[in-house]
Amino acid sequence: IAGITQAPTSQILAAGRRMTLRCTQDMRHNAMYWYRQDLGLGLRLIHYSNTAGTTGKGEVPDGYSVSRANTDDFPLTLASAVPSQTSVYFCASSDLAGGYNEQFFGPGTRLTVL
Amino acid sequence: AQKITQTQPGMFVQEKEAVTLDCTYDTSDPSYGLFWYKQPSSGEMIFLIYQGSYDQQNATEGRYSLNFQKARKSANLVISASQLGDSAMYFCAMREVNTGFQKLVFGTGTRLLVSP
Repeated sequence: IAGITQAPTSQILAAGRRMTLRCTQDMRHNAMYWYRQDLGLGLRLIHYSNTAGTTGKGEVPDGYSVSRANTDDFPLTLASAVPSQTSVYFCASSDLAGGYNEQFFGPGTRLTVL
Repeated sequence: AQKITQTQPGMFVQEKEAVTLDCTYDTSDPSYGLFWYKQPSSGEMIFLIYQGSYDQQNATEGRYSLNFQKARKSANLVISASQLGDSAMYFCAMREVNTGFQKLVFGTGTRLLVSP
């Protein structure tokens, strides 16, 4: 069982370029999330999706967009990257139906915007 | 206002000793959940333990236990018999149920270093 996969593992990107971070889960979780992790700030929620076809804004959504065409995939797009978007990006998923609803995290994507 | 506060940027403990990592939280929601995650140097986030706001007993998972003091709004993680592999960042997080959406708010983390 792979859990959550993210691609790419790392990327260096020129400012102004468009970039899509990919996230796929095989746990059939209904909810998915994107976080960014910056030193000294912990993880901050960018966007979320409670179910396929719906998305919502988190704490720091500006400059990012998401889509949820199906249960498994939740790509994050930076339309025009800026240096302040240099960060480690984590995708996560959870099953809202039961248990602790703990979130399972992918391995992260390290993005550097120059 | 910060909803999750971890006041210890770094902690040191000797192998086989116990260590407590502090976490205080702020919420007006009567229903909430508290989580601890471990992030080793490899970067992945690993779920450790969960405490629900209505749980009567403190949560335990192997060497991890959660010292939940609801009136004080604290949810400290206790690691017993520390091992070298426990060296990592530890994040406290709170789930709020707000308009049907379950959101996790994270603290800034505590870096734990276990020495031989």
